[in-house]
Amino acid sequence: DVKVTQSSRYLVKRTGEKVFLECVQDMDHENMFWYRQDPGLGLRLIYFSYDVKMKEKGDIPEGYSVSREKKERFSLILESASTNQTSMYLCASSLPGLANNEQFFGPGTRLTVL
Amino acid sequence: AQKVTQAQTEISVVEKEDVTLDCVYETRDTTYYLFWYKQPPSGELVFLIRRNSFDEQNEISGRYSWNFQKSTSSFNFTITASQVVDSAVYFCALSEAYVPLTGANSKLTFGKGITLSVRP
Repeated sequence: DVKVTQSSRYLVKRTGEKVFLECVQDMDHENMFWYRQDPGLGLRLIYFSYDVKMKEKGDIPEGYSVSREKKERFSLILESASTNQTSMYLCASSLPGLANNEQFFGPGTRLTVL
Repeated sequence: AQKVTQAQTEISVVEKEDVTLDCVYETRDTTYYLFWYKQPPSGELVFLIRRNSFDEQNEISGRYSWNFQKSTSSFNFTITASQVVDSAVYFCALSEAYVPLTGANSKLTFGKGITLSVRP
């Protein structure tokens, strides 16, 4: 059974803390994605990566960075967490190319920044 | 730029009613793919269907059916005889070609989602 796992389901952090959200996939997918989901705004792409050590900005990269040192792992980093980063964070992976690019999602991490 | 519009934000129906979720998209690509995902209360998005731009045949899978019409740029989703377990947020998405230095690739543009509540 294919799987995308995220390190935490719920996380509470304080303003100014450095936060790491980890995502691991076991499907040998080249592409990995980080989204945030907020009520009324749907899914918004933060960053994505199409290969190890490669990264591309999505629609809302400000305040975030990412790391992809290994193919199966894609980390989202909040250098200095702020209250407006309280959200649900979703990780996904997919094969490359235009066809067969269905994304597989993890269960999400609900982050609260106090 | 790509765009996916799900004009309905919340829909509430009684069990066994039929319900249609609308999706309208905008793209300049001639080759693209459309998707529907379901997000149940547990949170994990579940893939339902993928459709390519050259295949306008309607598709039926059990109680689910999809109507793809390029003339109106729509990809609507109908649930027949809805059940309480259908209660979820449903997202429509559109693939966008992205060609980095290493080769062709793509990413998805999602609509804002429709919250469907099915009451017993």
